[in-house]
Amino acid sequence: KQEVTQIPAALSVPEGENLVLNCSFTDSAIYNLQWFRQDPGKGLTSLLLIQSSQREQTSGRLNASLDKSSGRSTLYIAASQPGDSATYLCASGGQNFVFGPGTRLSVLP
Amino acid sequence: EAGVAQSPRYKIIEKRQSVAFWCNPISGHATLYWYQQILGQGPKLLIQFQNNGVVDDSQLPKDRFSAERLKGVDSTLKIQPAKLEDSAVYLCASSTNTGREQYFGPGTRLTVT
Repeated sequence: KQEVTQIPAALSVPEGENLVLNCSFTDSAIYNLQWFRQDPGKGLTSLLLIQSSQREQTSGRLNASLDKSSGRSTLYIAASQPGDSATYLCASGGQNFVFGPGTRLSVLP
Repeated sequence: EAGVAQSPRYKIIEKRQSVAFWCNPISGHATLYWYQQILGQGPKLLIQFQNNGVVDDSQLPKDRFSAERLKGVDSTLKIQPAKLEDSAVYLCASSTNTGREQYFGPGTRLTVT
C-alpha cells in the first residue's frame, strides 16, 4: 500500500528566499507525481505534474523533480513571495492517487 | 473551459441526518474522484469512477456512504446517517483518464453537530 509523507510539516521563511519542499513515497511503481497548492478554505490547484518517465518539470518560479528509485520528489520555489503562502501537497499517481499530509508554507513580508 | 463544479459549498447537519453532495466534472473527463479531507490532513480517496463504473471504492464506508455516477457525467455522494467524524471537506476531482492530471472543485465543507 502506497504511503506518502512530506517534510517539513510547516515552514516559515522571509520573502525572497529560495526553498525546497520534500515528498517521499514508498512504492516506486507510480504513473506520475503531482504537486498541488491549497489555500485556506479552498480546493486544490494543480501546480506541476511529472510523468514517471520524466525527471523534472518547471513552471515559472516552480521546479519539481522526481527520483523514482529513491522514492522522492522535491518542489523548489525560487524567490518566494507572500502570495506563495499556502499548503503544498504532493500526490503519487497510479491506479489512484495517494496524497501526503502537506507542508504549510508562510512567506513573511 | 469550465472547471469542476460542486454544490453545496457548505452544509451543517445534525448527527444521524442524511446529506448529499453533487459534482459536475470537466466536460469530457472520463474519470471522477471523491475525496474526504479532514482538517490538517491530505485528501483521502473515497471512490473513483471510470465513466459510470466504479474503479476503486476500497476506502468508502459502505454502511453509510454511497455514490453514483449515472450516465458517466455528474455524480452524487450521499451520507446516511451522518456521524460526528464525517465532518470534513468533500472534494471532487476529474481527469481525462485514470492516472492523468487531476482537476479539483472547490469542495463542500460538512459540519456534523
